[in-house]
Amino acid sequence: AQSVTQPDIHITVSEGASLELRCNYSYGATPYLFWYVQSPGQGLQLLLKYFSGDTLVQGIKGFEAEFKRSQSSFNLRKPSVHWSDAAEYFCAVGTNAGGTSYGKLTFGQGTILTVHP
Amino acid sequence: NAGVTQTPKFRVLKTGQSMTLLCAQDMNHEYMYWYRQDPGMGLRLIHYSVGEGTTAKGEVPDGYNVSRLKKQNFLLGLESAAPSQTSVYFCASSYSTEVRRPGELFFGEGSRLTVL
Repeated sequence: AQSVTQPDIHITVSEGASLELRCNYSYGATPYLFWYVQSPGQGLQLLLKYFSGDTLVQGIKGFEAEFKRSQSSFNLRKPSVHWSDAAEYFCAVGTNAGGTSYGKLTFGQGTILTVHP
Repeated sequence: NAGVTQTPKFRVLKTGQSMTLLCAQDMNHEYMYWYRQDPGMGLRLIHYSVGEGTTAKGEVPDGYNVSRLKKQNFLLGLESAAPSQTSVYFCASSYSTEVRRPGELFFGEGSRLTVL
């Protein structure tokens, strides 16, 4: 079975600083990887996804993530954080394990991002 | 465009009571899911459905039942609520997978349930 670990429960950055949120996954084959963002009181919104091809993927709101197979990682980055980026971020992994995958995702524990002015 | 709508948004129950959460989507998605979110545990899949009239168990199905009588609706029932079911519940939907690829999930805003 697949699993996802987000080592950082809470990260605080200053507005304008760069950001990197870590995500490590465990899965025997090539995974499908996602980053979702959840603003307070809201549902989750997809930031970006990796299925195959270029290992550096661009998403919405200026975010990007890099898939590193050798490190089993899919870290999320943003060069300059805005106050509106304060939210909780979830990494998730899906599988291509036959028809039973049915789009089911396994989520990490989440990382709360606080942005100081 | 409503997307995924969950009702109710808040509910307080006493132990042993039953209730049903309703999820409705207007995107004609084949797949629908119920997740629960607990602090420090991310989202865990309760049940899911790959089409009208079909349901399947997820990671944490005990104490819950579901039904998908219409394609656009996915109901989550608690037969006899327990304090351990205090959580925020999220419904999601997605297109069917292509060549076995999981699709993007579209989430509702969540339903906060407290069981006393």
